[in-house]
Amino acid sequence: NAGVTQTPKFRVLKTGQSMTLLCAQDMNHEYMYWYRQDPGMGLRLIHYSVGEGTTAKGEVPDGYNVSRLKKQNFLLGLESAAPSQTSVYFCASSDPGGDSYEQYFGPGTRLTVT
Amino acid sequence: QQQVKQSPQSLIVQKGGISIINCAYENTAFDYFPWYQQFPGKGPALLIAIRPDVSEKKEGRFTISFNKSAKQFSLHIMDSQPGDSATYFCAATFYGGATNKLIFGTGTLLAVQP
Repeated sequence: NAGVTQTPKFRVLKTGQSMTLLCAQDMNHEYMYWYRQDPGMGLRLIHYSVGEGTTAKGEVPDGYNVSRLKKQNFLLGLESAAPSQTSVYFCASSDPGGDSYEQYFGPGTRLTVT
Repeated sequence: QQQVKQSPQSLIVQKGGISIINCAYENTAFDYFPWYQQFPGKGPALLIAIRPDVSEKKEGRFTISFNKSAKQFSLHIMDSQPGDSATYFCAATFYGGATNKLIFGTGTLLAVQP
């Protein structure tokens, strides 16, 4: 199993450009999450989904949109990129129930907005 | 609003020493406290977790100590090794909640010197 994969691994955008980050998981998990990681600020939740067709806002949703059309995929979109969105983006997935609330993370996408 | 405070921001320990990372939380409704380990260029991965019905949990060289009345918990790494050099994140959530959302601390960069 590949676990959680993210595409692309690196990207450089100019201010105002748009892009979509793709997250895919092969563990049949219900829940999926998008985080951004910035120095000194830890991991902050952008948006999350508790099932196919559902999305909800996290701690820092402004400037981002998401879609979960298929259970295994969770897309993060930037409509008009800003330098403040320069960050490392992580996708994660987990499953409800059981004794473990473990989130499984992808390898990350490093985004630079100039 | 930061609900989980983590310290120190960085830590240097000699090989064989004890590494200690501390976290404090504000929301008394939190009842599941995991620690995640992140190596450079990788996504975070679950290391160890605790629920507040116990004051300590040990897995190999890693121990979580939990103080419910003080709303604090800490990670102890005994006999620290260079391979333990990584960023460590504490987190908190609601066990049995509907989303498995995690609130992360800001992270601690641990360097174990040989």
